[in-house]
Amino acid sequence: EIVLTQSPGTLSLSPGEGATLSCRASQSVNSTFLAWYQQKPGQAPRLLMYGASNRATGIPDRFSGSGSGTDFTLSISRLEPEDFALYYCQQHGRSPLTFGGGTKVEIK
Amino acid sequence: QVQLVESGGGVVQPGGSLRLSCAASGFTFTNYGMHWVRQAPGKGLEWVAFVRFDGSNKYYADSVKGRFSISRDSSKNTLYLQMSSLRVEDTAVYYCAKDARRFGSYFHYWGQGTLVTVSS
Repeated sequence: EIVLTQSPGTLSLSPGEGATLSCRASQSVNSTFLAWYQQKPGQAPRLLMYGASNRATGIPDRFSGSGSGTDFTLSISRLEPEDFALYYCQQHGRSPLTFGGGTKVEIK
Repeated sequence: QVQLVESGGGVVQPGGSLRLSCAASGFTFTNYGMHWVRQAPGKGLEWVAFVRFDGSNKYYADSVKGRFSISRDSSKNTLYLQMSSLRVEDTAVYYCAKDARRFGSYFHYWGQGTLVTVSS
C-alpha cells in the first residue's frame, strides 16, 4: 500500500498570504495518478487538481500543483477567505487507492 | 449537472447489515466507474470500494473485503453498497463518488454522504 504523508498538519495563515502544502509518498507515484481535494466543514470533498498539476473545472488559477516521484506540492498563491479548509492528496496509481492524512489551512 | 444522492444510512447494531444507495443523474451512468469512500467522525478519507463502468470488476479495501459488496443497476442509474457483519469501526459518513473514467482514476464528483452509525 502506498502511504501518503501530508505536512504540515495545520497551516495558520492570513488572507492574502501564500500557502504551500506537501504530500510525500512512501514509493514513487506517476504524477498522472496524483490528485488533490478540498473539504470544508460539513461538506463533501471537492476535486481541486488531477494529474498533479491540472486544475479541475471551476478551480481558480491561484491554485497550482507540482511534483513528481515521491514529492508533490499544492500551492495557493493568495489565500481567499473561502480557501480556509482541509486539503487531501490521493493516489490512484496502485490499489488500494489511498489518501494522505490532510492539511488544515486555518485563519491566523 | 452531475448529481449524486446517497441514502440508506442509519443506526445499526454490531453484526448487522445495511444497504446504501446512490442515485446518479446529470451524466451517462454506464460510461463511468463508481466508488464508495468513507470518513469516520473527525478523521480522514478512506476509499472503500470501486466498480467499473460495466460492473465487470469490483475492488475493495482490505478493511471491508468479504463483508461489503458494491454493485450498480444501470436501469436505475443507481450505485449500491451492501454492508454486512458491521463493526463499530465502520461508523462513518459514506460518500459515493463518480470516477473520471471507466476503469478507475480519481474521484471527479462526490455526493453529500450518508451517515452510518454502528452501535449497541
